[in-house]
Amino acid sequence: NAGVMQNPRHLVRRRGQEARLRCSPMKGHSHVYWYRQLPEEGLKFMVYLQKENIIDESGMPKERFSAEFPKEGPSILRIQQVVRGDSAAYFCASSLASVGQPQHFGDGTRLSIL
Amino acid sequence: KNEVEQSPQNLTAQEGEFITINCSYSVGISALHWLQQHPGGGIVSLFMLSSGKKKHGRLIATINIQEKHSSLHITASHPRDSAVYICAVGTGRDDKIIFGKGTRLHILP
Repeated sequence: NAGVMQNPRHLVRRRGQEARLRCSPMKGHSHVYWYRQLPEEGLKFMVYLQKENIIDESGMPKERFSAEFPKEGPSILRIQQVVRGDSAAYFCASSLASVGQPQHFGDGTRLSIL
Repeated sequence: KNEVEQSPQNLTAQEGEFITINCSYSVGISALHWLQQHPGGGIVSLFMLSSGKKKHGRLIATINIQEKHSSLHITASHPRDSAVYICAVGTGRDDKIIFGKGTRLHILP
């Protein structure tokens, strides 16, 4: 009975490269949330997706960042042309419904930019 | 001012002590979450509550909606309880979560 699976656990990229972070929600969950935790800071909401739809991306930087949750397969958070400031832990959470249901968190992807 | 404030920021206690971590919020909420994050590790959801009190093992969470305040208590604390405890509130629409900055708890043996 797998929980939320994120991969990779650690990702190292050079400035200018692309980073792809994957999140497989818990079985039966169709709501996915991405959060970012910068060093020594709290978690911040980035984007909320349902299958094939972006519901709320108000926390996501307008440039270089994109997210998707296709009908089949994991949710992907994509960061193009990474910069040092993108170094952070990125957490994914999933839930059964949007309101009133607990969110289950993955172990996160720690992204380091050289 | 942050919408979710936690206190204390850091807490060191001896094994066996009763621990209280406080959380105050300034927005309307659908639910309040308490999360636990171990160093270098993932996040575990401890409680989700919208009223009253919940208990799980040695952990107790309470919420006072009128006062917009919640507390997390740990009874008979143990070194393995050492972690960062995060208070977070769901804001209703889409249940977007706003997080506090966390309380770093260190239990000494």
